[in-house]
Amino acid sequence: GDKVKQSPSALSLQEGTNSALRCNFSIAATTVQWFLQNPRGSLINLFYLVPGTKENGRLKSAFDSKESYSTLHIRDAQLEDSGTYFCAAERNNNNAPRFGAGTKLSVKP
Amino acid sequence: EAAVTQSPRNKVAVTGGKVTLSCNQTNNHNNMYWYRQDTGHGLRLIHYSYGAGSTEKGDIPDGYKASRPSQENFSLILELATPSQTSVYFCASGVRGPDTQYFGPGTRLLVL
Repeated sequence: GDKVKQSPSALSLQEGTNSALRCNFSIAATTVQWFLQNPRGSLINLFYLVPGTKENGRLKSAFDSKESYSTLHIRDAQLEDSGTYFCAAERNNNNAPRFGAGTKLSVKP
Repeated sequence: EAAVTQSPRNKVAVTGGKVTLSCNQTNNHNNMYWYRQDTGHGLRLIHYSYGAGSTEKGDIPDGYKASRPSQENFSLILELATPSQTSVYFCASGVRGPDTQYFGPGTRLLVL
């Protein structure tokens, strides 16, 4: 079954608005990564998290290992934020992250 | 910035043929990974490695072998390619410990 579930699978935002993406884990995740796959196909590192929160510009991510979920908040969405966002979770003693199916984000003017 | 390169970037193979996908990283990372990406599935883990000489099975290893002859190089081998192995393959590297993975640009494989 799916160890990492992302929601929503697709999202359309108006430029300047805010949104949140979510990952739920059925594994005992100890770390979480968030990536953006741009329209060219490149995977760009956004965050690496142990339980807690991190912020970088308009992006903020949180990871709650007890409740087995992580969120990625996008503030003031810009056109260049469009792409597919992936989360990946890793279990302790099994150093190979598993990915969700992604959230495809389209930001429109 | 971590550097991971993959070759070839594009490959067309025939059913039953042998395909080798190569990955090189210049950052002295212990861990390396092979994933495939298909629509609706995200990235699925095929094989990974903790260091030279080690290979581990991921979630979908059937039909694939892996080889890690050195710290820098990690290959994915399809001994008898099938059309179901048509996909985009990504290699990644990472340190053992609290750090993110670094991905290569991907290889598009078409098996006819």
